[in-house]
Amino acid sequence: GAGVSQSPSNKVTEKGKDVELRCDPISGHTALYWYRQSLGQGLEFLIYFQGNSAPDKSGLPSDRFSAERTGGSVSTLTIQRTQQEDSAVYLCASSLTVIYGYTFGSGTRLTVV
Amino acid sequence: SQQGEEDPQALSIQEGENATMNCSYKTSINNLQWYRQNSGRGLVHLILIRSNEREKHSGRLRVTLDTSKKSSSLLITASRAADTASYFCATDVTGAGSYQLTFGKGTKLSVIP
Repeated sequence: GAGVSQSPSNKVTEKGKDVELRCDPISGHTALYWYRQSLGQGLEFLIYFQGNSAPDKSGLPSDRFSAERTGGSVSTLTIQRTQQEDSAVYLCASSLTVIYGYTFGSGTRLTVV
Repeated sequence: SQQGEEDPQALSIQEGENATMNCSYKTSINNLQWYRQNSGRGLVHLILIRSNEREKHSGRLRVTLDTSKKSSSLLITASRAADTASYFCATDVTGAGSYQLTFGKGTKLSVIP
C-alpha cells in the first residue's frame, strides 16, 4: 500500500482482556518496528522484525506482550490480560532496510479501563 | 537511560521567525534522524544525517551534526503556523546489535500566526 496502515485506530478495552493490534507495512519493506508512546512522552521501542523473524524483542515490557509477522508483511502485536498502564498509543513503522528512515502508521490509541 | 535528549522541551515563536532545536546523545551513532509528530499520532520522517556528514539541508530545514560533541541541531527557517508540532531526534546506535532507532522525548514547537 501507499503507507503504513494500523488498525484499529482506537481501542477501549476492559482490564484483563486481551487485545490484538494490526500493522500493514509498506509493500517491500523488510524491516518493521513497534513502538509505544505514553501521553506527552517519547517513543519506547518494543520489538523489531527483519522479514518474519524478530532479532530484537528486548523492548517488550513483560511476557503479556507478544508479536508476530507473517509473509514478511502484516504484523500483529498482542497484549494479554491488559492492565491500565498498557494505555498508550502503539505505533508501527516500516523501512526498506535498517539504514533508512522509518515510515510510521497513524497508531492505535489503546485505553484500558 | 535516554540516548537522545531534545532541548528545549517547548518553544514558542512568531510566524516568520526561525526555530532551533537541539539534540544531544550519549553513544556513537551510525546516523541521526529528525521526525515531526502532529497531534500525538504518526511521526513523519524529515531528514537523516550520517555520522560522516556535518550539515544537511532540505527545503526550510537545516540539520547539523557534531559527533565530537555528540549533538545535533534542527533549524526551521521562516516558520509557519503549519510547523506547529513536536519534533524528535532519533539515533541509530553503532554496534548495539539491534537495528532500531532510539527516540528522545521531543521538542514541542508552537508557531503563533
